[in-house]
Amino acid sequence: GNSVTQMEGPVTLSEEAFLTINCTYTATGYPSLFWYVQYPGEGLQLLLKATKADDKGSNKGFEATYRKETTSFHLEKGSVQVSDSAVYFCALSRYSGGGADGLTFGKGTHLIIQP
Amino acid sequence: DAGVIQSPRHEVTEMGQEVTLRCKPISGHNSLFWYRQTMMRGLELLIYFNNNVPIDDSGMPEDRFSAKMPNASFSTLKIQPSEPRDSAVYFCASSLRGFSGNTIYFGEGSWLTVV
Repeated sequence: GNSVTQMEGPVTLSEEAFLTINCTYTATGYPSLFWYVQYPGEGLQLLLKATKADDKGSNKGFEATYRKETTSFHLEKGSVQVSDSAVYFCALSRYSGGGADGLTFGKGTHLIIQP
Repeated sequence: DAGVIQSPRHEVTEMGQEVTLRCKPISGHNSLFWYRQTMMRGLELLIYFNNNVPIDDSGMPEDRFSAKMPNASFSTLKIQPSEPRDSAVYFCASSLRGFSGNTIYFGEGSWLTVV
């Protein structure tokens, strides 16, 4: 079945450091890939997505490229800020003949940015 | 535009009591999802509906859990009787079904504690 594997952390970085959070997946067919972010006490918010191979999703300085050959969707940011501290979830779409049927999530990566 | 609205935000109840969580999806969305988040198991899809019809409830943990969607703008998740191991954050989410790249929007969650 479909699954997502991501580094669990916590990942602790200093402000302005470069960030990479690895995400790999197994899936049948051609899923769409997502990164969601969860700030303390809040729900999940879409950060970025990519719907086909070689697509790059980007938002708020974060980027991720859909790599079918390595089944990966790593999240990167060139210079992190304290306000980026949150839990980041990689996810892929579940899909049946009728359409998208929800998301399969990784375990989440807790990111802590120190000033 | 209002997002997904969940109630209650927080609930503390005693073991054996009935718990009802409520959700109003985004207007116009035709898919609704219930997820559960715990430290041990991460995010789990419990059940989802399409056009008010339950499509997949294989994630519902046991018969104590039930979910209904009587109309396009309202859903409930009920636990009866509740147990301490049901303590978790329960998220409702909605989307437009059809394209696997359609974003799924999450509510802010119902934080349940069973003592």
